[in-house]
Amino acid sequence: AQTVTQSQPEMSVQEAETVTLSCTYDTSENNYYLFWYKQPPSRQMILVIRQEAYKQQNATENRFSVNFQKAAKSFSLKISDSQLGDTAMYFCAFMKHGVGSGGGADGLTFGKGTHLIIQP
Amino acid sequence: DGGITQSPKYLFRKEGQNVTLSCEQNLNHDAMYWYRQDPGQGLRLIYYSQIVNDFQKGDIAEGYSVSREKKESFPLTVTSAQKNPTAFYLCASRRGAGANVLTFGAGSRLTVL
Repeated sequence: AQTVTQSQPEMSVQEAETVTLSCTYDTSENNYYLFWYKQPPSRQMILVIRQEAYKQQNATENRFSVNFQKAAKSFSLKISDSQLGDTAMYFCAFMKHGVGSGGGADGLTFGKGTHLIIQP
Repeated sequence: DGGITQSPKYLFRKEGQNVTLSCEQNLNHDAMYWYRQDPGQGLRLIYYSQIVNDFQKGDIAEGYSVSREKKESFPLTVTSAQKNPTAFYLCASRRGAGANVLTFGAGSRLTVL
């Protein structure tokens, strides 16, 4: 079984600052996917960014980027030029890779989340 | 537009009553999931289904039941055996084998009075 740990229950930064959210995970799998989901006050889960473990290049989506360290089993999210609309819960999540072994069939394993507050 | 519809958005029930949460998707996805969210606990998997007429228990299945009679529907019943049912429930779907993205519904908030 895999576990996902987010060690920062809450973070607060000023608008326009850069913030990094931490995530570590534990797994015996070699191929997998990692995700960051955002949950704003509406509680709708929104995919922010995903990373395939077999790709060395860190994923980037506009102001969002990750620092993926496979050996260290670390997957942090960096938000640049933070905006008020970034205020939300952020969840790190893991999914096994592969079709034959049923990879992904049991969905996502989530961390407990980080509540990010962007101050004006 | 394709998506996942969960209903009702808010639900109140008395102790000892069963309640069913609806989840319908028009994405033609094969796999569907139910998660429970509690404050400070993240999302935990209750049940999942990869195909019609088949489903598996997740990490916290006790006190819950599901059915998958149609591809687009995956209702969750919270039974009276569930000791602490007050929570936010999220339904999700995934296209199928090889797909790695889950799409989520807007959730249902269940409160036991």
